[in-house]
Amino acid sequence: EPEVTQTPSHQVTQMGQEVILRCVPISNHLYFYWYRQILGQKVEFLVSFYNNEISEKSEIFDDQFSVERPDGSNFTLKIRSTKLEDSAMYFCASSEPNDNEQFFGPGTRLTVL
Amino acid sequence: AQSVSQHNHHVILSEAASLELGCNYSYGGTVNLFWYVQYPGQHLQLLLKYFSGDPLVKGIKGFEAEFIKSKFSFNLRKPSVQWSDTAEYFCAVNAVAYGQNFVFGPGTRLSVLP
Repeated sequence: EPEVTQTPSHQVTQMGQEVILRCVPISNHLYFYWYRQILGQKVEFLVSFYNNEISEKSEIFDDQFSVERPDGSNFTLKIRSTKLEDSAMYFCASSEPNDNEQFFGPGTRLTVL
Repeated sequence: AQSVSQHNHHVILSEAASLELGCNYSYGGTVNLFWYVQYPGQHLQLLLKYFSGDPLVKGIKGFEAEFIKSKFSFNLRKPSVQWSDTAEYFCAVNAVAYGQNFVFGPGTRLSVLP
């Protein structure tokens, strides 16, 4: 069964450093998403991406964040200058064009020191 | 802004007990509704979904949920839980008019005692 994959599973970085989190969505899906879950809190929507551009973003998704689909398979989330409060589990998801069911990846745990 | 609430933070049951997890949302328009489960150390997996039609939906592993539009609720049920159902359960709502994104509830941790 096809699934969403994410790398790395755990990323440790120093405050102020840039990080790139990678996701490979399911191959025939056209909508891509990033969510985050701070430890002990709920899953929060960050951004959705369709047709090579951002379709929606939350207020969390400020200028420090960017997303990109650099090739036909990867979908990346970049945080330019990480802050302590960026420490969280980041989930990628994807969905088909006419079906709102989102398939989630296993997540990347980001730890900012 | 839309919000999703889940009634219980942590539920503890014995095996074979019946389960009902509450979920309420605050949006009056058309919604798509989901329940996801997160087993320890694993990613979010879809249990069931409601888009339209019969408000009683059946999902995997014996779970079902009922959409009651007048109560803005989408409660998850299972008649007899197993130890393997121990996990975190998340209700998620997509307000169709606002696009594709999900608003998640805070989650309910279910512990099933053998």
